[in-house]
This record gives sequence, structure tokens and C-alpha cells, in this order.
Amino acid sequence: GAVVSQHPSRVICKSGTSVKIECRSLDFQATTMFWYRQFPKKSLMLMATSNEGSKATYEQGVEKDKFLINHASLTLSTLTVTSAHPEDSSFYICSAIDGERGSSYEQYFGPGTRLTVT
Amino acid sequence: GEDVEQSLFLSVREGDSSVINCTYTDSSSTYLYWYKQEPGAGLQLLTYIFSNMDMKQDQRLTVLLNKKDKHLSLRIADTQTGDSAIYFCAETRNNNNDMRFGAGTRLTVKP
Repeated sequence: GAVVSQHPSRVICKSGTSVKIECRSLDFQATTMFWYRQFPKKSLMLMATSNEGSKATYEQGVEKDKFLINHASLTLSTLTVTSAHPEDSSFYICSAIDGERGSSYEQYFGPGTRLTVT
Repeated sequence: GEDVEQSLFLSVREGDSSVINCTYTDSSSTYLYWYKQEPGAGLQLLTYIFSNMDMKQDQRLTVLLNKKDKHLSLRIADTQTGDSAIYFCAETRNNNNDMRFGAGTRLTVKP
């Protein structure tokens, strides 16, 4: 089946620094990728929808200048958390839709990235 | 096997009830969730249940949890064509808040 990878799987950074998380579709072209954030013991919340070659669409309440999303190619989207603060510590999951499967909209999830800001 | 498993397809007639099933492997699961994905859109949380509960009802949605069998189901009463979507089961665990998803069940509602 389709595989989505994320890198790194875990990252610890100091407050005020920026950290980049990569999401890759390994065996398909992902025309659309999604970024989610999971709060401790809570559900997953959609942050933004990323379409290849265009600007990401952010959900209400998500700061676009803080969470920079770049979908430069059909297999890679990146999420950069700028000037990270401890409250940004979370589990970030990306997912991707296989653009080659016609009208299909199956979504494939990455394994997630655990970000800890100290 | 996979941590969370679902059947891939379900087809029902409009007005009937739909039951989407999910099984999971880890007995330390704390929260279990149902998400809905419509075409081209991201996941939207439908409902969730804490592991010490057996049932949760929210309007047309009923979640049943059988912790002994590690089985979760989502029942949609009076299914409408607008309910056609992919439904994902997910769980989080006591020792690790990371979320694990099933592969999703595509629900097709026929008029």
C-alpha cells in the first residue's frame, strides 16, 4: 500500500528556535497533503491543507506565519514551526492523498513527529 | 497485524442504519475516535469515547465499545447521502499519546 514517511520522528528544540518537519509520499504523487496536530490526550486537529505548487489553506485559529507549510513537489511537504515555544510541543501528523488514483480520495497517514520545545 | 483495523467498504441504502466496525490490538488504549473524511477534505472529528465507557450517543451517531474484544463500532442512524465519506477509527494509548489510525472505511449511501 501507499507509504507516507515523516522526518524526524522525534525532535527536541530550544524555545525560540525553528524546526522543520518533512512529510514524504514514498510511492505515489501526493497532490494534496494535510497537516494535523494532536494535543495531549485529545483528538487530532487539522491545521492546514497543502496543495502542490500553491499556498496552503490554514484552518481558523492556526497562525500561518508561525506554521510555515511548503509543498514544493508532488512527494514532499514541509512544516516549519518558527520561533517555537513550549506550548507548540505536540504530535504532528501529515497525510497525503494519491493524486493519480482518479476520483479516489483515500488518505494515507505518516507515522507522526513528536516535537518537544524546552 | 496492524494496530487498528477496519473493513474497507460499506454500502447502504438511504434511510437504513450503517454500522462501521473497528478492531484494535492494544488493551492500554485510552481514547478511541471516529473521524470523517469527505472528498478532498481533511479529517473532521465526529465523536470519541473514553475506554472506560461502553456506549456514547450523539444525535444520529452511536459508538459502542467492547473493551474485552477490543472492538469499536460506529452506528449511523437514518443514513443520508451526505454521510457518504471515508470513516477513520483511531486510538491513543496510556503510555504514548501518539495517535494510531485504521485504514478507513468508505461508506457509500445509495438513494
